[in-house]
Amino acid sequence: EDQVTQSPEALRLQEGESSSLNCSYTVSGLRGLFWYRQDPGKGPEFLFTLYSAGEEKEKERLKATLTKKESFLHITAPKPEDSATYLCAVQLTSGTYKYIFGTGTRLKVLA
Amino acid sequence: GAVVSQHPSRVICKSGTSVKIECRSLDFQATTMFWYRQFPKKSLMLMATSNEGSKATYEQGVEKDKFLINHASLTLSTLTVTSAHPEDSSFYICSARGEGGPYNEQFFGPGTRLTVL
Repeated sequence: EDQVTQSPEALRLQEGESSSLNCSYTVSGLRGLFWYRQDPGKGPEFLFTLYSAGEEKEKERLKATLTKKESFLHITAPKPEDSATYLCAVQLTSGTYKYIFGTGTRLKVLA
Repeated sequence: GAVVSQHPSRVICKSGTSVKIECRSLDFQATTMFWYRQFPKKSLMLMATSNEGSKATYEQGVEKDKFLINHASLTLSTLTVTSAHPEDSSFYICSARGEGGPYNEQFFGPGTRLTVL
């Protein structure tokens, strides 16, 4: 069965304390892996797409990486405004373009 | 670019009434739109996938007669919750995917908070 797991479920960091969020997947065939940020009461905001193992994408304090089994979202020197839920989703090579979402990581950055 | 809107953002209705939620892609043509439901502190649950001009494909366990989806144009999809009951109260989010190129990202609307009294 295709499955996506995110860890940790929740994370509290001090401002400036770098860390990584994990997204592990077991799927029949990966077309792409996507990272989103979601603020409370809002829709997810697109961050990155990764297609192949070894690929990396960066945006400000965020960097996403991909291996054949998992993806990491590295947050360097986070600020309180980085507090949000971070979601990863995988898209399979078979059939439709629908996502399988992970359970999310709730990040809280303290000033 | 890639902006998706939803209307209304919040709706409160009485049990037994029907509610329609609109999802629009504002600056691109959405060949595929998706409807999700999200419970508090939970991830997104896919309800259905719709392609323009075709019948929606519903996920297992989602009642298609309860949640009517119409994707009449390349920029508009609607979700109608028929005969709503309190258990239908939730946060509903749509997303849209364009066509062309290697990009398969879904772009999400801001969500609609439905409360059924």
